[in-house]
Amino acid sequence: GENVEQHPSTLSVQEGDSAVIKCTYSDSASNYFPWYKQELGKRPQLIIDIRSNVGEKKDQRIAVTLNKTAKHFSLHITETQPEDSAVYFCAASSARGSTLGRLYFGRGTQLTVWP
Amino acid sequence: DTEVTQTPKHLVMGMTNKKSLKCEQHMGHRAMYWYKQKAKKPPELMFVYSYEKLSINESVPSRFSPECPNSSLLNLHLHALQPEDSALYLCASSLNSGANVLTFGAGSRLTVL
Repeated sequence: GENVEQHPSTLSVQEGDSAVIKCTYSDSASNYFPWYKQELGKRPQLIIDIRSNVGEKKDQRIAVTLNKTAKHFSLHITETQPEDSAVYFCAASSARGSTLGRLYFGRGTQLTVWP
Repeated sequence: DTEVTQTPKHLVMGMTNKKSLKCEQHMGHRAMYWYKQKAKKPPELMFVYSYEKLSINESVPSRFSPECPNSSLLNLHLHALQPEDSALYLCASSLNSGANVLTFGAGSRLTVL
């Protein structure tokens, strides 16, 4: 099955700085890559996603890049704010029969933004 | 309605109790999921229902029994649980099992004494 690696496991930045979280995947059939933000005690919330036919996607201060050849994708947060502090999970999935319905998560990155 | 609603929010049960977790969505989604999440870990898939039929069981112990009475409802029946089953149980839904975009419920925090 798919294996998703995520780094770093913890990340501390000063308010206003940028934060980058990186993930790699193993299954070349994976074609959908979401990022979830989970605040303490809350549900995971989708913040941005990208499909394999696109190399980059941006939504205000958040962007995701995908390199299919290298099998890695990254989350970029610019002008970080204290409310960005949370655990971020990357994930990968494919529409292939044996993995249909499965979303493979990375281990998560605890992002702390200091005021 | 764009939400997945889970009840109860918190549940404490003994190892001999029988209880159920409930999940409801009215977005017309035909795939529904149960995930288990331990602190500081990613969600772990337990079950997937697609068009009200169980399509994935990730080798979950039989003390967890899922049920999908209709396209809007998903239950998780709990019996003879162990303390290590204490976790946040998340329900999610998507348009279909190949659509990928999951909407999560707020979760049910389960404590087994």
